[in-house]
Amino acid sequence: EFVLTQSPATLSLSPGDRATLSCRPSQSVSGYLAWYQQRPGQAPRLLIYDTSNRATGIPARFSGSDSGTDFTLTISSLEPEDFAVYYCQQRTNWPPLYTFGQGTKLEIK
Amino acid sequence: QVQLVESGGGVVQPGRSLRLSCAASGFTFNSYGMHWVRQAPGKGLEWVAVISYGGSDKFYADSVKGRFTISRDNSKNTLSLQMNSLRTEDTAVYYCTKGGGSSWTTDYFDSWGQGTLVTVSS
Repeated sequence: EFVLTQSPATLSLSPGDRATLSCRPSQSVSGYLAWYQQRPGQAPRLLIYDTSNRATGIPARFSGSDSGTDFTLTISSLEPEDFAVYYCQQRTNWPPLYTFGQGTKLEIK
Repeated sequence: QVQLVESGGGVVQPGRSLRLSCAASGFTFNSYGMHWVRQAPGKGLEWVAVISYGGSDKFYADSVKGRFTISRDNSKNTLSLQMNSLRTEDTAVYYCTKGGGSSWTTDYFDSWGQGTLVTVSS
């Protein structure tokens, strides 16, 4: 079974801080990873696709990268609206099946 | 502007059926793979199913395979999810999502509806 493990489960930071969220696949699959943000009571929205490309309208403080074993979402300087839950997601090659990580809750310290 | 509007949620008894619909607008519907993703109360996201451009290819999560059927009507820009033999663990908000990229086997979901709540309870 393919699993994406996100860490930490909860991250407590202050506005202006730098946030680093991690996502580790249990095995190598398609290679591309996406990140989503979900605010309370809202649908998720795409932040990053193909590991490092920002979706339309996403501020430049959000960036995605790949270290070879882990994928990382970085928020360079937290704004109040960034405190939310973040999910990573990948697809298996064939058949195309999709997996989400369990989520990282970014909360105000 | 892409719009995805789900409907059809509600309360249903275990073992019964329910059909969800998603009305799509703002993009060329038949040029994108479409998906259903669900979220149980207080839990994370779970992908449910995908359908190709014309509807000939469909894939499902193991948790719903054999019980749920995804379909689309490109003449009406509508995506559907027929849910049979519902279980209490199917209780969730169901989101209609549009695949991004140029292939129906996209790596990501670039637009989401607001979701419709399905509650399976006796």
